Amino acid sequence: GENVEQHPSTLSVQEGDSAVIKCTYSDSASNYFPWYKQELGKRPQLIIDIRSNVGEKKDQRIAVTLNKTAKHFSLHITETQPEDSAVYFCAATWRNEKLTFGTGTRLTIIP
Amino acid sequence: EAGVAQSPRYKIIEKRQSVAFWCNPISGHATLYWYQQILGQGPKLLIQFQNNGVVDDSQLPKDRFSAERLKGVDSTLKIQPAKLEDSAVYLCACTDNYNEQFFGPGTRLTVL
Repeated sequence: GENVEQHPSTLSVQEGDSAVIKCTYSDSASNYFPWYKQELGKRPQLIIDIRSNVGEKKDQRIAVTLNKTAKHFSLHITETQPEDSAVYFCAATWRNEKLTFGTGTRLTIIP
Repeated sequence: EAGVAQSPRYKIIEKRQSVAFWCNPISGHATLYWYQQILGQGPKLLIQFQNNGVVDDSQLPKDRFSAERLKGVDSTLKIQPAKLEDSAVYLCACTDNYNEQFFGPGTRLTVL
């Protein structure tokens, strides 16, 4: 089955700096790669996603890049703010819309 | 648009007891998922329904977990009997088949 690895598990950055979280996946057939943000005690919320026919997608301060050859994708957050502090999960589809999640990255923005 | 509804939000039971969770997905979303999220981990798929049929239940511990979606709308997940390691948040999610999954608020289960 699909396996998604996510690094780092924890990340602390100074407010205003950029944060990068990386994921690799195993199934070359995966074609949809969402990123979820989960605040403490709350549900995962989709923040950005990318499909396999696109190499990069940006939405304001958030961007995602995809390298299908290397089977990895990354989340980039620029000009970080305290409200960006949360746990971020990457995921990949492996047939029938079944999402496999990474292990999560706890991002802390230092004021 | 109304979101995914789940109840109860919290449940505390003793081991070997039974518990049931309920989910009402977004109207028109044919695909429904139940995930288990243990503290500090990512959500793990337990079962996926397409309308009222099971698409994938390969990671559902069938000796104690069961789920149904009889009319293809709302769904229930049951654990009988519960074990200590079942303590987790149980998330329901749905999709309209464009891949984006919408999650409910979850049910936090504590097994003592």
